[in-house]
Amino acid sequence: GQQLNQSPQSMFIQEGEDVSMNCTSSSIFNTWLWYKQDPGEGPVLLIALYKAGELTSNGRLTAQFGITRKDSFLNISASIPSDVGIYFCAGQKNTNAGKSTFGDGTTLTVKP
Amino acid sequence: SQTIHQWPATLVQPVGSPLSLECTVEGTSNPNLYWYRQAAGRGLQLLFYSVGIGQISSEVPQNLSASRPQDRQFILSSKKLLLSDSGFYLCAWSTNLGNEQFFGPGTRLTVL
Repeated sequence: GQQLNQSPQSMFIQEGEDVSMNCTSSSIFNTWLWYKQDPGEGPVLLIALYKAGELTSNGRLTAQFGITRKDSFLNISASIPSDVGIYFCAGQKNTNAGKSTFGDGTTLTVKP
Repeated sequence: SQTIHQWPATLVQPVGSPLSLECTVEGTSNPNLYWYRQAAGRGLQLLFYSVGIGQISSEVPQNLSASRPQDRQFILSSKKLLLSDSGFYLCAWSTNLGNEQFFGPGTRLTVL
């Protein structure tokens, strides 16, 4: 089936540093979504991207939809301790009931 | 505003016992509904999705089944649990456009 390769698998950074993570696929996706999951909770949507090349920000978060439609990245600027969690990318091929393929996540640890 | 509920929050069941996990959504009508399983340290695997009452699509062959007896109710069941059914089960909803999914708090299932 479709697979998303998300990297890095984990990151340990100092508070205040910037973070960058990405997702790549061998398939084209028409929508890219980025979620954050806190321990023991459901994922929460951070940013949704609908057009190739689109760059969207949500506070300190910025995500881009790659022009090939096979990749996306998420940047977090000036990290803070509450940024800790698992970040997932998800791709959708079309609006076929909103079926999403998820990456395996990037676990972010922020040291104060 | 829309809210999504799942229960129970945690469950410990013996192998071979039945299972019923419930998910309900409030504040919206005719949502798409989804069941995901998340193994430890992994991404989300889509198990079932539903675009309407009584309409269930299964994504992977497995020991589980799903039902949607009402518009905003989605149930995950098993007649006989296996050890491999342990995991974190997440319910999600989206509008019938299907892009952005909103997750419930999850159920942690441990099969012993």
